Amino acid sequence: GNSVTQMEGPVTLSEEAFLTINCTYTATGYPSLFWYVQYPGEGLQLLLKATKADDKGSNKGFEATYRKETTSFHLEKGSVQVSDSAVYFCALGLSGGYNKLIFGAGTRLAVHP
Amino acid sequence: NAGVTQTPKFQVLKTGQSMTLQCAQDMNHNSMYWYRQDPGMGLRLIYYSASEGTTDKGEVPNGYNVSRLNKREFSLRLESAAPSQTSVYFCASSESLGRQETQYFGPGTRLLVL
Repeated sequence: GNSVTQMEGPVTLSEEAFLTINCTYTATGYPSLFWYVQYPGEGLQLLLKATKADDKGSNKGFEATYRKETTSFHLEKGSVQVSDSAVYFCALGLSGGYNKLIFGAGTRLAVHP
Repeated sequence: NAGVTQTPKFQVLKTGQSMTLQCAQDMNHNSMYWYRQDPGMGLRLIYYSASEGTTDKGEVPNGYNVSRLNKREFSLRLESAAPSQTSVYFCASSESLGRQETQYFGPGTRLLVL
């Protein structure tokens, strides 16, 4: 079936450290891939997305590349800030009837000064 | 431009009580969704509405009903609440159906069923 697997958290980093959050997926067809971020007490908001293989999504210093050969969409940032502390969700978007988003379990990131 | 709004923010119910969660969007989107978020499980789709006048079941529809009142509003009703429905509920909208469409989420309703 279709699924998303994310690395378990929490991930704890010092400010300015390098961030990687792993995401792998299983899907039939040609999904789109998304990273959503949820700040404390808020709803999810789109961070970045990629709609086909080898596409790179980027936003606010975060990047992720759609790798079909490894079925991965790892999130990276070169230098994290305290304000990046949040829960990050990887999701895949499938066609066929409706805009079906399948979410990973989420990875909590805590950045300390 | 408020985006997606939800009311109430927080609700406590007793088992067997009913309630309706309200959602509205001001982005002129055609499609709307209701999700629940449980610890360690990501979000799961309860119901969705492709366009005004249509609704369909998602992954976990049992115990819920929905109404697409007009293009802006999409409500979720719990007829007889159960403790298993304790969760955080998110409404979302997108311009249309399609795997590339971004969904925009509301701030959520935290529901506790005793």
